[in-house]
Amino acid sequence: QKEVEQNSGPLSVPEGAIASLNCTYSDRVSQSFFWYRQYSGKSPELIMSIYSNGDKEDGRFTAQLNKASQYVSLLIRDSQPSDSATYLCAVNRLIQGAQKLVFGQGTRLTINP
Amino acid sequence: KAGVTQTPRYLIKTRGQQVTLSCSPISGHRSVSWYQQTPGQGLQFLFEYFSETQRNKGNFPGRFSGRQFSNSRSEMNVSTLELGDSALYLCASSTDGGAQPQHFGDGTRLSIL
Repeated sequence: QKEVEQNSGPLSVPEGAIASLNCTYSDRVSQSFFWYRQYSGKSPELIMSIYSNGDKEDGRFTAQLNKASQYVSLLIRDSQPSDSATYLCAVNRLIQGAQKLVFGQGTRLTINP
Repeated sequence: KAGVTQTPRYLIKTRGQQVTLSCSPISGHRSVSWYQQTPGQGLQFLFEYFSETQRNKGNFPGRFSGRQFSNSRSEMNVSTLELGDSALYLCASSTDGGAQPQHFGDGTRLSIL
C-alpha cells in the first residue's frame, strides 16, 4: 500500500460545479495534512492545512479530514478555469525520530468553461 | 516577507559532471527540505536539514548530498551526474519540518545531456 494515495485523474469538472479531490494515507499516527496546488511548469503552492477531524473552510476551498478512515479530501466550490492544476495531498510521517512530509502522486483537475 | 529563493533556475550539464544547487529559506524558517520531481515518480523526498544537521534522508544514492549553513541557507550537491537525474529540484522551508506547513521555492530545472 502506498503511503499516500490519490486518483491521478484527469478529473474534469464543469465551471461553477464542485470539484472533489480525495486522498488516503497509510500511517494511522499522522497528524498533519496539507493540500498543494501545482500549475504546469510551476512549483507547489500550499492552499490548505488541516490537523483535526472535521471540515476546515477557506474561501471556496474546504478540507475534510477523517482520521478513523485515514481519509482527507478537498472540495472546491464554484470551480473556475483558473483552478485547473494538479492537486497534491501531503501527509506527515514520523520516521526514525524525524518528521517527514510524504506526497501523493497528485490529481490533475481540469475545469471546463 | 520574501519567499523561498532557489538558484539557479535552470541548469544544463553533461553526464559525469557535478552540480550544486542553492536554497535560501523564508526568514525565520530553520528547516529546509529538498525534493526531486519527475513526471514518472512525482515528488520524491531527498533530505531535510534543521539547524545545520541532516534530520531525515530519503532513498537516494550517496551521489546526492546536502548541507545547511548557520543562516539556514542550504545547498544540494549531485556528483557524477546521470541522465536519470534530469528533474525539477525543489526546496521547501518550514519552521520545524514535516509536521509544519512547507513552502516551496520555484525550483531548479536540471537537464542532463
